[in-house]
Amino acid sequence: EIVMTQSPATLSVSPGERATLSCRASQSVSSNLAWYQQKPGQAPRLLIYDASTRATAIPARFSGSGSGTEFTLTISSLQSEDFALYYCQQYNNWLRGLTFGGGTKVEIK
Amino acid sequence: EVQLVESGGGLVQPGGSLRLSCAASGFTFDNYAMSWVRQAPGKGLEWVSGVTGSGSSTYYADSVKGRFTISRDNSKDTLYLLMNSLRAEDTAVYYCAKDRANYGDYFQYWGQGTLVTVSS
Repeated sequence: EIVMTQSPATLSVSPGERATLSCRASQSVSSNLAWYQQKPGQAPRLLIYDASTRATAIPARFSGSGSGTEFTLTISSLQSEDFALYYCQQYNNWLRGLTFGGGTKVEIK
Repeated sequence: EVQLVESGGGLVQPGGSLRLSCAASGFTFDNYAMSWVRQAPGKGLEWVSGVTGSGSSTYYADSVKGRFTISRDNSKDTLYLLMNSLRAEDTAVYYCAKDRANYGDYFQYWGQGTLVTVSS
């Protein structure tokens, strides 16, 4: 099983500032990496897939980068609605399982 | 508009069984792989199981292999998860999710989830 590790666990950011979230895979997943946002009581929402492609209707302030084992989600200027939990997920090989990172909580500083 | 509506959750005793359903609409159901993803209270996301569009191939997380069975009825546009030998650690909100294509990858759409509580 590929283990996904997200850091930091909690990120305190002021509105308007930049947030940088990291996700590391225990082995290469190529660009088979997605990011999701989850708010309390809601299902996750797809933000980024294939490491850097924004999903439909996702604002341009969200961007993804990386390949192999190191990935980054950047929120360029945090809006109030962006304070939430963020998860990465690898989908390199279905037979070996699909796995999520433990999540990063972005909170208001 | 894609819609996924889960049902079948509830309270069950350890060792018991439960079957979850997910009614899909807004897309050609049998063209897409589908998955179940769960989230224990206050915890992160865990992929549980996936199935190809035809239902011919199924995949499971090690934590549920041999206890859970995923299936689908393409005539009813419905996905199922049969859960046997339930344990306290299976307590979670179970989401059904639509894959991008007919193989396991990321999840474009999610249902609202159904809560399964395993407790005596």
